[in-house]
Amino acid sequence: GAVVSQHPSWVICKSGTSVKIECRSLDFQATTMFWYRQFPKQSLMLMATSNEGSKATYEQGVEKDKFLINHASLTLSTLTVTSAHPEDSSFYICSARLGTNEKLFFGSGTQLSVL
Amino acid sequence: KQEVTQIPAALSVPEGENLVLNCSFTDSAIYNLQWFRQDPGKGLTSLLLIQSSQREQTSGRLNASLDKSSGRSTLYIAASQPGDSATYLCAVRGMDSSYKLIFGSGTRLLVRP
Repeated sequence: GAVVSQHPSWVICKSGTSVKIECRSLDFQATTMFWYRQFPKQSLMLMATSNEGSKATYEQGVEKDKFLINHASLTLSTLTVTSAHPEDSSFYICSARLGTNEKLFFGSGTQLSVL
Repeated sequence: KQEVTQIPAALSVPEGENLVLNCSFTDSAIYNLQWFRQDPGKGLTSLLLIQSSQREQTSGRLNASLDKSSGRSTLYIAASQPGDSATYLCAVRGMDSSYKLIFGSGTRLLVRP
């Protein structure tokens, strides 16, 4: 099946620094990628949808200047958490859609801890 | 606004039991519904996808049903095994073209040996 690779799997950073998370589709071209965040024992909340070569569409309440999304190629999307603060600590997961396939393929997630 | 609810939030059963996980959604205008498995600190694995026109899907010991009119879906796991221990999430896709999924908060399942 299709594989989505997400790196890093975990990161610890100081407050005020920026963190970049990568999401790669390894064996297919992802027309659309989605970024979610998940707090402990809670569900996934969609943050933004990104299509290759265009600006990401952010969900209501998600600060686009804080969570920068770049989808420069059909196999790579990045999420940069700028000036991270402790309240940004969360589990971030990306997913990718293959063509018109209904199924989404998920990365393994990134646990971000901001001190 | 679509809301997805999963009951129970947690479930502990002895190995070998058959069990049912429930998912309900407030807006019946869905395109499809998916069940996912999530292991601790990991991403999601798609288990079953049911299109809005379908009533159920089966894969091995898993069977998912969909009653769109009542806004409900169930995931049936037969002969549960300790390896089934994980969080199970259901998610619905709306009728728009965005492919966005709305997730429930999940059921944490523990199958005791």
